[in-house]
Amino acid sequence: DVKVTQSSRYLVKRTGEKVFLECVQDMDHENMFWYRQDPGLGLRLIYFSYDVKMKEKGDIPEGYSVSREKKERFSLILESASTNQTSMYLCASTPLIGLNYGYTFGSGTRLTVV
Amino acid sequence: GENVEQHPSTLSVQEGDSAVIKCTYSDSASNYFPWYKQELGKRPQLIIDIRSNVGEKKDQRIAVTLNKTAKHFSLHITETQPEDSAVYFCAASTYGQNFVFGPGTRLSVLP
Repeated sequence: DVKVTQSSRYLVKRTGEKVFLECVQDMDHENMFWYRQDPGLGLRLIYFSYDVKMKEKGDIPEGYSVSREKKERFSLILESASTNQTSMYLCASTPLIGLNYGYTFGSGTRLTVV
Repeated sequence: GENVEQHPSTLSVQEGDSAVIKCTYSDSASNYFPWYKQELGKRPQLIIDIRSNVGEKKDQRIAVTLNKTAKHFSLHITETQPEDSAVYFCAASTYGQNFVFGPGTRLSVLP
């Protein structure tokens, strides 16, 4: 019963390429998030969105952009991939209101930039 | 803004022993504190959470305690089993918004 789906599990891209990471959720959640996960650094927030066409910068937005044209889909874009963007990328969603605050995470995309 | 610290970064216990992971937070407005377990190669999964109106919550072998005055909360796992081996993340949030995660604790349960 996968509820947050990331389109790719593993990706290898070349330096300078434009990279798209896709995330889709089927829970009608308003909030969606993109994190990167690096050893010793935990989960760091890149961008988040509270509504369609709305986006907010997280803690490390440099080198990234996002797109949310539909409620269920939140895309992370690496405009010009660099080796320091090699990482595990996790998408997550939560409802805007309600008692269940907990994140639902996707399975992650391990991106390697060579 | 909120800052969440988590200790220890690694923890090894013998099977059957207890494990305790502690987190501290800085923002007194935080009122929701979830814990996530991430097994190797898998997504983080919510295992337990606590809200600021309670001091302790238990679910079978796992429990979480919260001390609002001291701004710290802890995860307790009793009777540990090899399948408890994973990375555990704590987080602090205000009404489910603005989550801030701790850096994680790698727990190894030794047979």
